[in-house]
Amino acid sequence: DAMVIQNPRYQVTQFGKPVTLSCSQTLNHNVMYWYQQKSSQAPKLLFHYYDKDFNNEADTPDNFQSRRPNTSFCFLDIRSPGLGDAAMYLCATSKGLAGGPSYEQYFGPGTRLTVT
Amino acid sequence: GQNIDQPTEMTATEGAIVQINCTYQTSGFNGLFWYQQHAGEAPTFLSYNVLDGLEEKGRFSSFLSRSKGYSYLLLKELQMKDSASYLCAVRGDDSNYQLIWGAGTKLIIKP
Repeated sequence: DAMVIQNPRYQVTQFGKPVTLSCSQTLNHNVMYWYQQKSSQAPKLLFHYYDKDFNNEADTPDNFQSRRPNTSFCFLDIRSPGLGDAAMYLCATSKGLAGGPSYEQYFGPGTRLTVT
Repeated sequence: GQNIDQPTEMTATEGAIVQINCTYQTSGFNGLFWYQQHAGEAPTFLSYNVLDGLEEKGRFSSFLSRSKGYSYLLLKELQMKDSASYLCAVRGDDSNYQLIWGAGTKLIIKP
């Protein structure tokens, strides 16, 4: 089945220790997104890639970086995690950016990050 | 600013009907999505509305009124597995057509 895969599902890191979360997709979608979601809050878009074009949200801290080496894979790097970065990190994909139901976002299962 | 409002929590009885409301104020409108999210899991797509009216999909229906900036998700014949959060998201009109998300409504189903 075509899907969005995130590894690991649970990640524990120490305060200030760099961590990388990974996402892969078999949907062959052009767009890949990274969201941060804290308990009972809306998902917060950090950035997205349209193919290789990177788009950073204005309020995404510099501590968060991303790489997309190819269509299938996208990585989220947190350079110096703080306690406030503990959250669920969701990767999503979509065919494109235009409107219409066929441009819905497909989500991976998420990685729950704990910072100690 | 851009804003999406949903009730924080609702409770309903198994077998009953529940309506979850969503109001939005956004700069532009290019469609409204409803997603279901079980605790600790990723959101999954439920429905999409871009024109006024009701879209029905099995036990779930979604309604949109663009003039009122209002949508609702109607769940019929509630089952225990419907206990989840329901997120409303609006696609705006920025160059990237990004989704603006509500915080979600936690629906609790009681036997």
